[in-house]
Amino acid sequence: DTGVSQDPRHKITKRGQNVTFRCDPISEHNRLYWYRQTLGQGPEFLTYFQNEAQLEKSRLLSDRFSAERPKGSFSTLEIQRTEQGDSAMYLCASSAPGQGVETQYFGPGTRLLVL
Amino acid sequence: ILNVEQSPQSLHVQEGDSTNFTCSFPSSNFYALHWYRWETAKSPEALFVMTLNGDEKKKGRISATLNTKEGYSYLYIKGSQPEDSATYLCAFNTNAGKSTFGDGTTLTVKP
Repeated sequence: DTGVSQDPRHKITKRGQNVTFRCDPISEHNRLYWYRQTLGQGPEFLTYFQNEAQLEKSRLLSDRFSAERPKGSFSTLEIQRTEQGDSAMYLCASSAPGQGVETQYFGPGTRLLVL
Repeated sequence: ILNVEQSPQSLHVQEGDSTNFTCSFPSSNFYALHWYRWETAKSPEALFVMTLNGDEKKKGRISATLNTKEGYSYLYIKGSQPEDSATYLCAFNTNAGKSTFGDGTTLTVKP
């Protein structure tokens, strides 16, 4: 399967712990996006990369959140000192430049529960 | 803050019914409008991307229209089937980067 993959699919943690999620985009895609989705709402933009450069970061993203894409391939999203409000589905998507508008291809998400 | 609204929030129809949903978005700084289908326990799947006012796209029984001047898009499903049950999301772009999503319309098709 050459789609977007995310690991882990589920994570349960205690408040105050750090968690890290990984996203592997489709191999030729140079753009990678992170979104967060809570129940009853649509995905909310967090940040995105073009190759290894982080081009935009949501103002909603607190300093406890950090994302990296060191080699322009996979990306990690770390949440430090987790809070119960961080419980959500974290979605990763990737896209490739081409003619016209890019389509974002989504992974299955990582569902985080903070106790 | 961009406001993308979808209606209705949820919809229950019988198999064979045709249905439609609405996505409203800002009419300024338009770049693209996407529709996605998100089935439970799966990844969101891209259905359509539309860029031009008056665009109409079709994929099997599903079609979409776009009005950028008034800021809305309609998604139509003809002859709904149980496998069409999913959440349908629209996403608005002002540039090639991030998308701003609506909260989705959850469709349930009863056999």
